[in-house]
Amino acid sequence: EPEVTQTPSHQVTQMGQEVILRCVPISNHLYFYWYRQILGQKVEFLVSFYNNEISEKSEIFDDQFSVERPDGSNFTLKIRSTKLEDSAMYFCASSGTAYNSPLHFGNGTRLTVT
Amino acid sequence: DAKTTQPNSMESNEEEPVHLPCNHSTISGTDYIHWYRQLPSQGPEYVIHGLTSNVNNRMASLAIAEDRKSSTLILHRATLRDAAVYYCILKEGGSNYKLTFGKGTLLTVNP
Repeated sequence: EPEVTQTPSHQVTQMGQEVILRCVPISNHLYFYWYRQILGQKVEFLVSFYNNEISEKSEIFDDQFSVERPDGSNFTLKIRSTKLEDSAMYFCASSGTAYNSPLHFGNGTRLTVT
Repeated sequence: DAKTTQPNSMESNEEEPVHLPCNHSTISGTDYIHWYRQLPSQGPEYVIHGLTSNVNNRMASLAIAEDRKSSTLILHRATLRDAAVYYCILKEGGSNYKLTFGKGTLLTVNP
């Protein structure tokens, strides 16, 4: 069964550094998402992406965050200048075009900002 | 997204059926009912979804009340691997494709 893959599984970075989290969505999916989960808290929506542009973003997704689909397979989340509070699990997801299509999630990247 | 209400936690014994309830009294006619689960240290995993009729798949069954104000996820024979947080989420019609996660129900399965 096709799956969403994320790399790296764990990233440690220093405060103020830029990080790029990478995702390979399911190949025939057209909607892409990033979510995050701070330890012990809910899974929070960050951004959705369709047709090479952001379709929706949350209040969390401020100017420090950006997303890109640099080629036909990868979907990336960049955090320009990391803060301690960015430490979390970041999940990528993808879905088909029907609005009832389920989201398929990767197993996440654990980001630790020191 | 429309709100859902789930118990914070439930307990079950291995090989017994589990019924996980969800209330969604403000559901609208185009909202799909989705269930996901999150095993420890993993990403959310799609379980099942439905609109009006009951649904079955290899993982579970979804029973939807006639007025659609509640639903129940049924695991027919719980295994230790089913221990997870289960999320009931309403996925709105129209252009909003995202899911909004609540706290879900933490299911503990006893051997």
